[in-house]
Amino acid sequence: QVQLVESGGGVVQPGRSLRLSCAASGFTFSTYAMHWVRQAPGKGLEWVAIISYDGNKKYYADSVRGRFTISRDNSKNTLYLQMNSLRAEDTAVYFCARVLYYDYWSGYYYGMDVWGQGTTVTVSS
Amino acid sequence: QSALTQPASVSGSPGQSITISCTGTSSDVGGYNYVSWYQQHPGKAPKLMIYEVSNRPSGVSNRFSGSKSGNTASLTISGLQAEDEADYYCSSYTSSSEEVFGTGTKVTVL
Repeated sequence: QVQLVESGGGVVQPGRSLRLSCAASGFTFSTYAMHWVRQAPGKGLEWVAIISYDGNKKYYADSVRGRFTISRDNSKNTLYLQMNSLRAEDTAVYFCARVLYYDYWSGYYYGMDVWGQGTTVTVSS
Repeated sequence: QSALTQPASVSGSPGQSITISCTGTSSDVGGYNYVSWYQQHPGKAPKLMIYEVSNRPSGVSNRFSGSKSGNTASLTISGLQAEDEADYYCSSYTSSSEEVFGTGTKVTVL
């Protein structure tokens, strides 16, 4: 079945780094754009980043641009989020999600039709 | 990019209809027909309920419908059921090629 499984979360000190992974199965990963979305404790959803199916196009939320890097390895069916210079406000559950529709040339996209269960990141000293 | 504005809470009795609004700007909701809606139960991942303003994914009940007028999108749940009690989020593509979520609405079935 179509599935996304995140891993790599944990407790980390402010200023340190962490890399999240999202393993995909049950579909042709290399043909789908992917998102990272996070949710702070008791708060709403916040979009983090998107990457095109080939990894050549990436966009980030202002809150993480310059600190986080989204990437993918299509040979391993895996999406990544490298998080550097972590702050307390990065504490959240991080979800990966598959993009329902992505037009590569225009850059338009919509819909997140498959979600992982999330992995928790806690930034605390 | 500021979050889209949703009411914090909406409630209704079983069988009634409720509508959740999602207000943005001409740079997001008003500029594109790329609005989606998600349902999230406590401790669970979000679930796509509506995409491209008014389209339902396979398996989503036809009690859920979406629409848009100007900078405001709406999600209507008709024939409200106990299982519909959850948080709902809208989202939209933006002119910066980013995605923005709404502030979220807690739906309570009385």
